[in-house]
Amino acid sequence: QVTLKESGPALVKPTQTLTLTCTFSGFSLSTSGMRVSWIRQPPGKALEWLARIDWDYDKFYSTSLKTRLTISKDTSKNQVVLTMTNMDPVDTATYYCARTPLGSPVDYWGQGTLVTVSS
Amino acid sequence: EIVLTQSPGTLSLSPGERATLSCRASQSVSSNYLAWYQQKPGQAPRLLIYGASSRATGIPDRFSGSGSGTDFTLTISRLEPEDFAVFYCHHYGSSPWTFGPGTKVEIK
Repeated sequence: QVTLKESGPALVKPTQTLTLTCTFSGFSLSTSGMRVSWIRQPPGKALEWLARIDWDYDKFYSTSLKTRLTISKDTSKNQVVLTMTNMDPVDTATYYCARTPLGSPVDYWGQGTLVTVSS
Repeated sequence: EIVLTQSPGTLSLSPGERATLSCRASQSVSSNYLAWYQQKPGQAPRLLIYGASSRATGIPDRFSGSGSGTDFTLTISRLEPEDFAVFYCHHYGSSPWTFGPGTKVEIK
């Protein structure tokens, strides 16, 4: 059974760095073809793809956010970590991690975690 | 980066009617790596269609996808009450990936 769960702070202050952890089970990120993405959704707005890390450590980022994002993985812990620097109120959103096997779109989503940016 | 545009923004229909949703890409989507998702309030998106026209596991056959290149369509043949939601298209070919802005299908 594949599950993913996001964890991290619910509230961050402007200019702070956000660190989110995705802990998953039911698959391994060392398996060829396996990938994990981060996607966010501001309240009432559309989905936005943020970043992806692949089984072979390849990393890909949103064009508009790539200077602020870093994605990494700890295969032994079945975790993927996303950091986003210089947080702003417009970054308030539900952040999802998701499994995205090679050649496939997202097939499993985490429940999402709401992050509010406010002083 | 591929920009996805969806139309219409909102579709007001009655149960039993046919819904046709459009997704247009700013450049050709490689290998038809185009997916459709349904999202209801407070829930994560649910995958409906992948590869432009393949239904995901468990998706009823009233949902169908078509198109290639830059123009894609999601059709719901007869709307059921549980189908009213927001629908997103998503390209997952060459990175960076993107989502469309969504089409809301609401009860008329």
